[in-house]
Amino acid sequence: QSALTQPASVSGSPGQSITISCTGTSSDVGGYNYVSWYQQHPGKAPKLLIYDVTNRPSGVSDRFSGSKSGNTASLTISGLQAEDEADYYCTSYRSTSPPLYVFGTGTKVTVL
Amino acid sequence: EVQLVESGGSLVQPGGSLRLSCGASGFTFSTFWMNWVRQAPGKGLEWVANIKYDGSAKSYVDSVRGRFTISRDNAKNSLYLQMNSLSAEDTALYYCARDISASGGLDCWGQGTLVIVSS
Repeated sequence: QSALTQPASVSGSPGQSITISCTGTSSDVGGYNYVSWYQQHPGKAPKLLIYDVTNRPSGVSDRFSGSKSGNTASLTISGLQAEDEADYYCTSYRSTSPPLYVFGTGTKVTVL
Repeated sequence: EVQLVESGGSLVQPGGSLRLSCGASGFTFSTFWMNWVRQAPGKGLEWVANIKYDGSAKSYVDSVRGRFTISRDNAKNSLYLQMNSLSAEDTALYYCARDISASGGLDCWGQGTLVIVSS
């Protein structure tokens, strides 16, 4: 199955806001509100930041927010901090038969 | 504390089999969908399979369907992944993860168990 498309890298200065896009199709991102976002630091397990497009799990900073328009979902990080430097992945439900989940290609965020 | 601990990873020859286990603690295991996700060295995340809280529904990524089998034992708070006909492309760190939303929101992950397929 083909992965969702994310930019390979995004960078920003401390305090700035950045947005990471996640592009799919009407069979996944565009068709369902089942998009999640994860942060992964080197050598660590992924951490859930956003689920169901906009929901933040308990304990996740409100600097992270999610949205969706058409076949593209987005993760915005506000007030960028040094510890936000990590890899970020989106994932979406895909309505194949049987249904499955698909991850994005991943985005490396660099804090300048 | 919610915790997942994977085990069973090792070096295996191409064509071989391996069974991964994931022990859960700190939550009511029998009420959550569970998933396996893998990450090849230096690569991105790949969803592998999931199983409904009662074991009545399972899904797999195309590349493992027919070779891998996900299962669970709610009495033992354990998740399993039986992997057969392994190839080099299956070399990866395998994570088990809990789905908080039944829609792919994986909020709790183990530390991973490493599977290396090589002769």
